[in-house]
Amino acid sequence: GENVEQHPSTLSVQEGDSAVIKCTYSDSASNYFPWYKQELGKRPQLIIDIRSNVGEKKDQRIAVTLNKTAKHFSLHITETQPEDSAVYFCAASIQGSDKLIFGTGTRLQVFP
Amino acid sequence: DGGITQSPKYLFRKEGQNVTLSCEQNLNHDAMYWYRQDPGQGLRLIYYSQIVNDFQKGDIAEGYSVSREKKESFPLTVTSAQKNPTAFYLCASSTSTGNYGYTFGSGTRLTVV
Repeated sequence: GENVEQHPSTLSVQEGDSAVIKCTYSDSASNYFPWYKQELGKRPQLIIDIRSNVGEKKDQRIAVTLNKTAKHFSLHITETQPEDSAVYFCAASIQGSDKLIFGTGTRLQVFP
Repeated sequence: DGGITQSPKYLFRKEGQNVTLSCEQNLNHDAMYWYRQDPGQGLRLIYYSQIVNDFQKGDIAEGYSVSREKKESFPLTVTSAQKNPTAFYLCASSTSTGNYGYTFGSGTRLTVV
């Protein structure tokens, strides 16, 4: 079946450094790739998304890149801040439905 | 709660007891979903519904049941057949127009006592 692999499972960076989280998807028909941020005990919130007709999208300190050939997409956070500390989930759409399949999450810790 | 409300926030279940988690949205979204989240794991799909009076099993539907009698509501019942129900449950909704963006509720933490 379809699946999304996400790496790393944990990531620790110093404040001001960059962080990169990578995902690989299996369904070549996937065409929508959102990223969610979940703070401890809170709901996941959409932070950025990209569609298959675009290779890169940026929103201030956050960017997402997509390589359709390799079925990879990545989240890039620059100039990290302590408030960026959270669990980040990638997801990919499933062809023919409104469903998303999620990665297993990356716990990002940003140390002051 | 951003248009989608889950209640209660915390729920305790005794062994052999059925419990129902509430999920209500006022976003006029057609599709609704229930996910289970365990520590260190991703979001696993329990059930989803794309229209009223219709729903489909997700990857881990055993021991759970749902109904979709109204567009706004998608309650989840955790039955006694679910042997390991302690988890964080998230409800989400989305339009069916191809946007795919989910709005999540704030979650219900269920604990077996």
